[in-house]
Amino acid sequence: EDKVVQSPLSLVVHEGDTVTLNCSYEVTNFRSLLWYKQEKKAPTFLFMLTSSGIEKKSGRLSSILDKKELFSILNITATQTGDSAIYLCAVSNNGRGGADGLTFGKGTHLIIQP
Amino acid sequence: DSGVTQTPKHLITATGQRVTLRCSPRSGDLSVYWYQQSLDQGLQFLIQYYNGEERAKGNILERFSAQQFPDLHSELNLSSLELGDSALYFCASSSLINEKLFFGSGTQLSVL
Repeated sequence: EDKVVQSPLSLVVHEGDTVTLNCSYEVTNFRSLLWYKQEKKAPTFLFMLTSSGIEKKSGRLSSILDKKELFSILNITATQTGDSAIYLCAVSNNGRGGADGLTFGKGTHLIIQP
Repeated sequence: DSGVTQTPKHLITATGQRVTLRCSPRSGDLSVYWYQQSLDQGLQFLIQYYNGEERAKGNILERFSAQQFPDLHSELNLSSLELGDSALYFCASSSLINEKLFFGSGTQLSVL
């Protein structure tokens, strides 16, 4: 059974701080790892990573995957109050052994204080 | 706006009842997924359809069923509802199997 573990579960920092969110996984026939941001309702897509060592960046957010050690990190620099959200990590398998969509971690609840 | 439409947004019902949640995927997406989100369990995969056919099942109870229609919209049927079924139910769609998902805004189900 595929498994995703995120840490920390909750994090409170001050505006301007840099945060690192962690995601470790176990998955058969790994295909990709995805990060989502969930503010009020629907999770919204941030990054999809398929190869080790290639950093994906979008403004102040960046993410990297280590397929050997089976983890990914999501970095947010110069945090703003609008970054407050639950950040979800998910993994997908290649669909051949057992197509079961994405397996999500329980998320990291990030709170940015002004 | 993800392009995935879910109705209703909120649903309040009593134990033992049956409800139907509806989802319209993004234009062109053939895959539809249903997820349940509760505070203690996080996002749990329920079931996946691809072009009208059931493709995978996750932790879906026997009291729950789903289908995808020829126009690609999907319905999730929840019956004999229990208090523990109260949760946020998401539909998501994708253009490829097991790739980037786009989520609807969810249906908040409260069973009283």
